[in-house]
Amino acid sequence: QQQVKQSPQSLIVQKGGISIINCAYENTAFDYFPWYQQFPGKGPALLIAIRPDVSEKKEGRFTISFNKSAKQFSLHIMDSQPGDSATYFCAASVLTGGGNKLTFGTGTQLKVEL
Amino acid sequence: SQTIHQWPATLVQPVGSPLSLECTVEGTSNPNLYWYRQAAGRGLQLLFYSVGIGQISSEVPQNLSASRPQDRQFILSSKKLLLSDSGFYLCAWSGPSGIGSEQFFGPGTRLTVL
Repeated sequence: QQQVKQSPQSLIVQKGGISIINCAYENTAFDYFPWYQQFPGKGPALLIAIRPDVSEKKEGRFTISFNKSAKQFSLHIMDSQPGDSATYFCAASVLTGGGNKLTFGTGTQLKVEL
Repeated sequence: SQTIHQWPATLVQPVGSPLSLECTVEGTSNPNLYWYRQAAGRGLQLLFYSVGIGQISSEVPQNLSASRPQDRQFILSSKKLLLSDSGFYLCAWSGPSGIGSEQFFGPGTRLTVL
């Protein structure tokens, strides 16, 4: 019930295209859903996050879409650029007094080609 | 601004040797601290988290232990390393429980056990 399933495992997109990565969860107690971007050999960097009281959040070229009834959320990268080539992780957690314990998806390797 | 440091950046250790990885956070007080391990090509697995000095919660049984001797210092240790302990170890911090939800990662330590 703690699992977060992420797809696809890898993705190739042409420059200027839209990259879409999907995640699904089972634990209905999850109330915080961040996305992280990781470059090889580096720690993950927080990209954007959403709480379940909104269905969409946009920051620049990055948008999270959230479907509470389906228990799914996705990351859309508009106008994808070669610099966006990285591994993307979705995550989920229950924000409680015991800390923010993130459960991560298995990651999506994105390659943006010229 | 807040920064998080990890050292060493890389480490090669023989099987059976001890381990000590250190993580420190600057620019914040009473953070929640976390240790994650990332196996090659996989997602992040939460190992330990701490909401205060001397308070450690273990998420998975394993050959590792954690300690928090100071407010902004988190240490990951092992008495005898196993081959399976190889991986990319990441420390993260978030604001005190109930205040901050965003979790920020350090640069990581690449551990190879031979």
